[in-house]
Amino acid sequence: AQSVTQPDIHITVSEGASLELRCNYSYGATPYLFWYVQSPGQGLQLLLKYFSGDTLVQGIKGFEAEFKRSQSSFNLRKPSVHWSDAAEYFCAVAGYSSASKIIFGSGTRLSIRP
Amino acid sequence: DADVTQTPRNRITKTGKRIMLECSQTKGHDRMYWYRQDPGLGLRLIYYSFDVKDINKGEISDGYSVSRQAQAKFSLSLESAIPNQTALYFCATSDAGQSVPLGEQFFGPGTRLTVL
Repeated sequence: AQSVTQPDIHITVSEGASLELRCNYSYGATPYLFWYVQSPGQGLQLLLKYFSGDTLVQGIKGFEAEFKRSQSSFNLRKPSVHWSDAAEYFCAVAGYSSASKIIFGSGTRLSIRP
Repeated sequence: DADVTQTPRNRITKTGKRIMLECSQTKGHDRMYWYRQDPGLGLRLIYYSFDVKDINKGEISDGYSVSRQAQAKFSLSLESAIPNQTALYFCATSDAGQSVPLGEQFFGPGTRLTVL
């Protein structure tokens, strides 16, 4: 079955510290992978996506993610977080078929300690 | 102006009432989606539409119906609302064509629905 697991429900990091949010997926083939961010009271915004090629992808707001096929992972990283990064982050997976739909993980809420 | 708008933004209703949530987009996308978000469950797909004449059930369509009035408009209805439909509802659009894999989705700001 296709699924996305975000094992951390809530993470708190200090402002200026590095961040890594975990994402593992289960899919029949190499999927398309996404990270979305949801700020309080807002809809979801795409941070970055992986379709093919270089397994380290850069996104907006200084985020990056690395696709590791052997680990079925697509972890999100940022070298130095800012207070404005406090939000909920969703990992998502989709297939190559044009009829495929996005499957979202349950989300990780990020809090920033001053 | 926002590319994907949802009305209303907040709604409180009673069990058994019929409710319609509306979504409009100015992005010119063919594909539109309705999701619900519940704490700890992420987003779950209710219905999706790849064009005006193509509407499909998602993973949790029971108790919901949709109408694609035009390319730019996609409405979600709760025929007889029940308390466990209390959730945050999101509309989204994407521009993936038939020969192109699923692309980025653009989300509206959400509608918070409370069923008493």
